[in-house]
Amino acid sequence: SQQGEEDPQALSIQEGENATMNCSYKTSINNLQWYRQNSGRGLVHLILIRSNEREKHSGRLRVTLDTSKKSSSLLITASRAADTASYFCATDSGGSNYKLTFGKGTLLTVNP
Amino acid sequence: DAGVIQSPRHEVTEMGQEVTLRCKPISGHNSLFWYRQTMMRGLELLIYFNNNVPIDDSGMPEDRFSAKMPNASFSTLKIQPSEPRDSAVYFCASAKVRANTGELFFGEGSRLTVL
Repeated sequence: SQQGEEDPQALSIQEGENATMNCSYKTSINNLQWYRQNSGRGLVHLILIRSNEREKHSGRLRVTLDTSKKSSSLLITASRAADTASYFCATDSGGSNYKLTFGKGTLLTVNP
Repeated sequence: DAGVIQSPRHEVTEMGQEVTLRCKPISGHNSLFWYRQTMMRGLELLIYFNNNVPIDDSGMPEDRFSAKMPNASFSTLKIQPSEPRDSAVYFCASAKVRANTGELFFGEGSRLTVL
């Protein structure tokens, strides 16, 4: 069953604009990760944020985590056509087993 | 490193046939995961191994599915007999999991079509 749920399901923007995707989850987490998937390809890890962190940056990516609201957001600044892809959040709940559960993703289209 | 290598990339078979998907994880990684991706259900974790030992196979749909990891360099996912509803993209991913955390490295997937 899905732990994370991304919102919106699809997002279309113009090149140069910022893109914000949200993820909500149901149970307590240990870490939250964001992945990207180009059409017909495997997923690629973007960034990991721990449950005791509130914000993290990596290049044009900014991730926030609000554990009180059980939600995270991924911001891509100054988007490019090459950012067109599906973006997934994934959570693990800690414990003895490392089990990463993915949401259904947000399809981002960046128009040139 | 070559990354996670999966084969075949595409497989078309008829209902009732046996299907074997293969995965070579990244050298030095201690965990391996098999996921299935469909439009309807998204990415589902089927099974994962830690140090070649199956840890959690609760996502395996039914007895028709089996997975093995005979050594640190190789894993298989077998479906016997296959059914049309098994049509999906199957991903293998590996990770170096430490202190219960690690990023997953995915292969390019095996697209299975069961007619």
